[in-house]
Amino acid sequence: LAKTTQPISMDSYEGQEVNITCSHNNIATNDYITWYQQFPSQGPRFIIQGYKTKVTNEVASLFIPADRKSSTLSLPRVSLSDTAVYYCLVVRGSTLGRLYFGRGTQLTVWP
Amino acid sequence: GAGVSQTPSNKVTEKGKYVELRCDPISGHTALYWYRQSLGQGPEFLIYFQGTGAADDSGLPNDRFFAVRPEGSVSTLKIQRTERGDSAVYLCASSFFSGGAGTDTQYFGPGTRLTVL
Repeated sequence: LAKTTQPISMDSYEGQEVNITCSHNNIATNDYITWYQQFPSQGPRFIIQGYKTKVTNEVASLFIPADRKSSTLSLPRVSLSDTAVYYCLVVRGSTLGRLYFGRGTQLTVWP
Repeated sequence: GAGVSQTPSNKVTEKGKYVELRCDPISGHTALYWYRQSLGQGPEFLIYFQGTGAADDSGLPNDRFFAVRPEGSVSTLKIQRTERGDSAVYLCASSFFSGGAGTDTQYFGPGTRLTVL
């Protein structure tokens, strides 16, 4: 599976929009881009997944350009409770299997 | 509904002892995964089950680690002769995937924090 690269850390203030970019240059045709969120002392939580273009849910938006070599997780109007580690993963479609986590991006939201 | 549960939430043991960690997956989920997470790192895959059988155990670090899922639901991760380097958070996840397009979404439990003194 394609390796992902994302910033180690980001800082923001309450009410701002946060964009976390992830690169996955070697993504394959049958791969999806998936993002998980992890709070301290909790397991990772699935937040959004996409294949191409734009996906939006109640938590976030995911933008994927046509070449799919990168993706951007967008969190609108963050609050203190959005402080967490965000993981970008490439997941193979149509099959079960392990998830490959990197170190993720530590997002810290300040008042 | 109920999520993935793991017991105990914390386990402190002495070097050389045997420990068992339990995972109760979401009801009806056929796949069950074990990961472990060290401080500052992302979760690292250990093993996964499809039903009762281990479909991929290539992440188990050595033969001191063993996992079972005898009835296709609850799973137990067993660690023999624990070492200080085994200290980590052990995470369990489960999923239901019927095939076709898309992926299987894994739902994680809160983890068991294992400390080996």
